[in-house]
Amino acid sequence: EPEVTQTPSHQVTQMGQEVILRCVPISNHLYFYWYRQILGQKVEFLVSFYNNEISEKSEIFDDQFSVERPDGSNFTLKIRSTKLEDSAMYFCASTFGQGRTGELFFGEGSRLTVL
Amino acid sequence: AQSVTQLGSHVSVSEGALVLLRCNYSSSVPPYLFWYVQYPNQGLQLLLKYTSAATLVKGINGFEAEFKKSETSFHLTKPSAHMSDAAEYFCAVSGDNAGNMLTFGGGTRLMVKP
Repeated sequence: EPEVTQTPSHQVTQMGQEVILRCVPISNHLYFYWYRQILGQKVEFLVSFYNNEISEKSEIFDDQFSVERPDGSNFTLKIRSTKLEDSAMYFCASTFGQGRTGELFFGEGSRLTVL
Repeated sequence: AQSVTQLGSHVSVSEGALVLLRCNYSSSVPPYLFWYVQYPNQGLQLLLKYTSAATLVKGINGFEAEFKKSETSFHLTKPSAHMSDAAEYFCAVSGDNAGNMLTFGGGTRLMVKP
């Protein structure tokens, strides 16, 4: 069964370092998302991406964050200069069609720990 | 704007007992509602969704949820818990545009005792 895959599963980094989290969405999907969950808190929307551009972003997704689809398969989230509060589980998701009823398919998450 | 509240961050039931996980929502538009499950070390998996058709929605693994507009609720139930149901459950509401943005509740961790 097709699935969304994320790497790395866990990354530990020093504050101020750049981090890139990678995702391979399901191959025929067109819409891509990043969500995050700080330990003990809600899963929060970060950004959605379609047709090689950001379609929506939350207030969390500031200038320190960027997304890219560098080739036909990968979808990346970059954090330029990590802060302690960026420590969280980051989930990538994808879906085929737009619309409020669509099912999002999530990856297993990448746990980021910033020291 | 949308929001979701899940009452009870932890719920413990005995195997074979009824499972009831509570979800209340608020939405500025007619809501589309979802329950996702996360098993240990796995991603979020869709259990079921309400998209304005039948108010009683059946999902995978014997779970179902009932949309009650008057109560702004979408509680998740299962008649008889199984050990394999132990997981974290997230209720979510779709955004007020077509972008599939989901707003999640805080999650409820279900523990099943033998």
